[in-house]
Amino acid sequence: GENVEQHPSTLSVQEGDSAVIKCTYSDSASNYFPWYKQELGKGPQLIIDIRSNVGEKKDQRIAVTLNKTAKHFSLHITETQPEDSAVYFCAVTTNSNSGYALNFGKGTSLLVTP
Amino acid sequence: GAGVSQSPSNKVTEKGKDVELRCDPISGHTALYWYRQSLGQGLEFLIYFQGNSAPDKSGLPSDRFSAERTGGSVSTLTIQRTEQRDSAVYLCASSLASGTGYGYTFGSGTRLTVV
Repeated sequence: GENVEQHPSTLSVQEGDSAVIKCTYSDSASNYFPWYKQELGKGPQLIIDIRSNVGEKKDQRIAVTLNKTAKHFSLHITETQPEDSAVYFCAVTTNSNSGYALNFGKGTSLLVTP
Repeated sequence: GAGVSQSPSNKVTEKGKDVELRCDPISGHTALYWYRQSLGQGLEFLIYFQGNSAPDKSGLPSDRFSAERTGGSVSTLTIQRTEQRDSAVYLCASSLASGTGYGYTFGSGTRLTVV
C-alpha cells in the first residue's frame, strides 16, 4: 500500500509563530491529500485538503502546499494560537480499483505555548 | 444524524470475550470505514464499505476481526476472542461516496480495553 511519512513527530512553537508539518508519499498516482486535526478524546477532523491539480490552497491561517514532482505536501499554520495544539495527521488516497481508503501518516503532536 | 455516532464510547472486556462495536454514519453517506488507533500511533485501516459492494477487508489484522453493514447504513465491527493487543481506539468514518476527493467525517471512537 501507499507509504506515507510525516515529520516531525512533535513540534513546539510559541504563540504567534508559524508551524510547518511535512509529509512524503510513494505512489505517484496519488491524487488527494487531506489534513486532519485530532483533539484529545475526539475523532480526527478534516481541516483542509488539496487535489493533485492544485499546488497550493489557503483557508485563513492554514495552507497546504503540494509538490507532485517531489511527492511531498506540507501543512502551514500561521499566527499559531494555543487552541491549535492538537495532533495533526496527513493522509493520501489513490484512485485505484483496490479501494479508496485513506492512508495516514503517524501524526504530529503540535504544542503552542502562550 | 448530524455526525457519525459510535457506541459504546468506552468498553472494558476480559481477554477471550467477544465484543461488538457500533457505527452509525451520517445519513446519505454511502462509504463507511473502520480504523484502529493504538496509543500514540497513527490510524491503521481495517475495512471499507461502499454501498452494496463487497467490502475491502484488506486491513483486518486477523480472522478474529469481522464487520458487517446492514442496509447500507449502520455497521458493526466484531472482535472475537479478544486479546490484550486489541486494546485501542476504534474509529469509524463515513463519506459521501467512495473515490478520491471525498473527505471523511470521523466519529469520536470506541476506546477498547482488554484486561
